[in-house]
Amino acid sequence: SQQGEEDPQALSIQEGENATMNCSYKTSINNLQWYRQNSGRGLVHLILIRSNEREKHSGRLRVTLDTSKKSSSLLITASRAADTASYFCATVVDRGSTLGRLYFGRGTQLTVWP
Amino acid sequence: NAGVMQNPRHLVRRRGQEARLRCSPMKGHSHVYWYRQLPEEGLKFMVYLQKENIIDESGMPKERFSAEFPKEGPSILRIQQVVRGDSAAYFCASKDSGRPETQYFGPGTRLLVL
Repeated sequence: SQQGEEDPQALSIQEGENATMNCSYKTSINNLQWYRQNSGRGLVHLILIRSNEREKHSGRLRVTLDTSKKSSSLLITASRAADTASYFCATVVDRGSTLGRLYFGRGTQLTVWP
Repeated sequence: NAGVMQNPRHLVRRRGQEARLRCSPMKGHSHVYWYRQLPEEGLKFMVYLQKENIIDESGMPKERFSAEFPKEGPSILRIQQVVRGDSAAYFCASKDSGRPETQYFGPGTRLLVL
């Protein structure tokens, strides 16, 4: 079954605004990662947060993790048109047999209008 | 340090033909994952390989699909007797043993079955 589910499916904002995307998952995890995918391209790793961490920052990105609610959020501050892309959360579950495989959600399509 | 390379980037096949997708991991990486992305969906795990070994193929269809990662050369994902439902983007990702949490993705191969 699918681990990560992003919300909303699509988000449309103006440049300069903040964008918040949420991700929920089902089973306990080792870590959760966020990726960006521009249309027709590969995935770019953005940030990783471990199960014992609550918040992480990287430039304009802020990720939170609430393991009690099995959810994470990605905040992009002061968005730019170049941030337009699909954003995926992916989890690594806390079971040795899965050996690092990533479980992806369907993604949030973010459009930032200039 | 070159990133993960995949070729071809686009592949068109007729039903019943064979498709061979190649993935060259990042230099020094000995772990390769293959994922499939159907239109408007997230990536789904297919197979995890280390050099000369298939570690986890639980995400791969039982028939027509096979994967290998030989001692020398790229990893190959092979799809025999392709059907229209095989049309998708196929991504490989590699990682090294020293940083087990981060997978680096290639640009993908977009397979279209006519």
